[in-house]
Amino acid sequence: NAGVMQNPRHLVRRRGQEARLRCSPMKGHSHVYWYRQLPEEGLKFMVYLQKENIIDESGMPKERFSAEFPKEGPSILRIQQVVRGDSAAYFCASSPQGAEQYFGPGTRLTVT
Amino acid sequence: GENVEQHPSTLSVQEGDSAVIKCTYSDSASNYFPWYKQELGKGPQLIIDIRSNVGEKKDQRIAVTLNKTAKHFSLHITETQPEDSAVYFCAASSGQGAQKLVFGQGTRLTINP
Repeated sequence: NAGVMQNPRHLVRRRGQEARLRCSPMKGHSHVYWYRQLPEEGLKFMVYLQKENIIDESGMPKERFSAEFPKEGPSILRIQQVVRGDSAAYFCASSPQGAEQYFGPGTRLTVT
Repeated sequence: GENVEQHPSTLSVQEGDSAVIKCTYSDSASNYFPWYKQELGKGPQLIIDIRSNVGEKKDQRIAVTLNKTAKHFSLHITETQPEDSAVYFCAASSGQGAQKLVFGQGTRLTINP
């Protein structure tokens, strides 16, 4: 049973470009969470989604950030007009029925 | 909202000794407390968790204790081995339906051979 998959693993964007991060949950998991980790810090919650629904986006910046989990395909975290402060590791986690969360390997975003 | 404090930030122990990491939380509504191990360049790996209706849970060399009254929980690793070296994070559930996790700042554990 494959774990949570994220791609790309590394992403470099210039300021002002868009970044799209993809997450495929574990088989049978219908709950997806996105977290952001700055160097030497803990993970910060961004958004919690179920298929076609955003359940809790209280940790996501109001501007430039959006997330979706369509009926078919992976969950997408989209960052528009990236700035240097967006450089971080972005982790996706999935969960069966809202229980324990299993994390993917992360996408390391660098904004130049 | 929930706030999780984790101590110590760094911990160095001799191989074979025990390591203890402590966390406190602020939201009495939190009911789920997982611990994660993160190795360099990798995602967090769930190693053990505990729910609020249980005071202690053990899995081989790893154990977690929970004191709901004092709002603190601890990770205990016995007979430490070099491969236990990593950053460990505690977390507490919070938010709508207690679904999101609020993480501590992490403890960098080093096992000296």
